Amino acid sequence: NAGVTQTPKFQVLKTGQSMTLQCAQDMNHEYMSWYRQDPGMGLRLIHYSVGAGITDQGEVPNGYNVSRSTTEDFPLRLLSAAPSQTSVYFCASSYRGTSGSGEQFFGPGTRLTVL
Amino acid sequence: GDSVTQMEGPVTLSEEAFLTINCTYTATGYPSLFWYVQYPGEGLQLLLKATKADDKGSNKGFEATYRKETTSFHLEKGSVQVSDSAVYFCALRNFGNEKLTFGTGTRLTIIP
Repeated sequence: NAGVTQTPKFQVLKTGQSMTLQCAQDMNHEYMSWYRQDPGMGLRLIHYSVGAGITDQGEVPNGYNVSRSTTEDFPLRLLSAAPSQTSVYFCASSYRGTSGSGEQFFGPGTRLTVL
Repeated sequence: GDSVTQMEGPVTLSEEAFLTINCTYTATGYPSLFWYVQYPGEGLQLLLKATKADDKGSNKGFEATYRKETTSFHLEKGSVQVSDSAVYFCALRNFGNEKLTFGTGTRLTIIP
């Protein structure tokens, strides 16, 4: 099992550019989510999905879009990058509800810099 | 809403010292509590967890006890090693809800 994979590992964008951060998992987890990590702020939830075709907003969704066409993939789109979106982005997945251990599995992260 | 308050860092200790990182929480319902660890350049990984009051989670010499009366889940280790240097996050997950609420993280550095 590869677990949760994320690409790219690093990315530099100019203000106004768009891009997609890729996330995939091979554990058949229903729940997937995106977080951003900023110094002194911990991890903040951007968007999440409880299954294919279902997505919802988290704590800081503005400027980001997601879709979930398959169980395995959950890409995060930056529509028009801004310097405030400079951060480290983590994708995570888990089983739903009381299934499994309740543990969320995290990818290695994407470090994004917006100039 | 749910929230987690963690001890401010950074924390610097000498090898073999005793470690405590404080964590308190506010939640409706009956949350599960977690400690995640992030080593340099990596994603988060689960260190330990507890799912109900008075449960003790333990792993790699770390322990934390779910204290409902004080709404706390403090992380402890009796003798830290240089390899324990990392950022530690306390988190909660409410019953029937997959969302994790994180504390701000505590950076721990162990010096030889």
